[in-house]
Amino acid sequence: DARVTQTPRDKVTEMGQEVTMRCQPILGHNTVFWYRQTMMQGLELLAYFRNRAPLDDSGMPKDRFSAEMPDATLATLKIQPSEPRDSAVYFCASGFGTGEAFFGQGTRLTVV
Amino acid sequence: GESVGLHLPTLSVQEGDNSIINCAYSNSASDYFIWYKQESGKGPQFIIDIRSNMDKRQGQRVTVLLNKTVKHLSLQIAATQPGDSAVYFCAENSKNDYKLSFGAGTTVTVRA
Repeated sequence: DARVTQTPRDKVTEMGQEVTMRCQPILGHNTVFWYRQTMMQGLELLAYFRNRAPLDDSGMPKDRFSAEMPDATLATLKIQPSEPRDSAVYFCASGFGTGEAFFGQGTRLTVV
Repeated sequence: GESVGLHLPTLSVQEGDNSIINCAYSNSASDYFIWYKQESGKGPQFIIDIRSNMDKRQGQRVTVLLNKTVKHLSLQIAATQPGDSAVYFCAENSKNDYKLSFGAGTTVTVRA
């Protein structure tokens, strides 16, 4: 059963700490998206990759967020330093870039 | 800027009735329009999509209508069931840049 896997499912951290979220896309998918979901902003596109190359990361705060794809089976989203306003659910999705993308279960981040 | 948005944030429907969820978009270059369903604590789940060269597509109990003249998309759910209670998002995707952008979401509540 192919699915997108995200870890951790939940993360509570103190302000100023580094947070790394990981995503394993569905094998064979060549496009990977990172979204942030809050009640106020809905689903915001932070960054996305095609064939592991970043296409657009204009949705991310550049000074503290970074997204990478070390290889085709792993995408990472890092926040350093974290702030309370970063508290949200972060979703990873993968697909072929046209049409639907499949979502993971998300990482719920709480920064205190 | 170009955006995808929903007309109404909430919809309450009687069990057994039909539901209609609307969405407006502004990117005339979009090639695919996709409807997602998100249940509490889960990631968005694909429901149905439609290509820009079509005006109607039917699935199991769902129909998506696309009106490119007025840039409007709708999702119709037949015989709404309690399990249809969720937040519904429309999304648009362009094969020019592979971006997948989401609207604000409509919360559907099914009354017994």
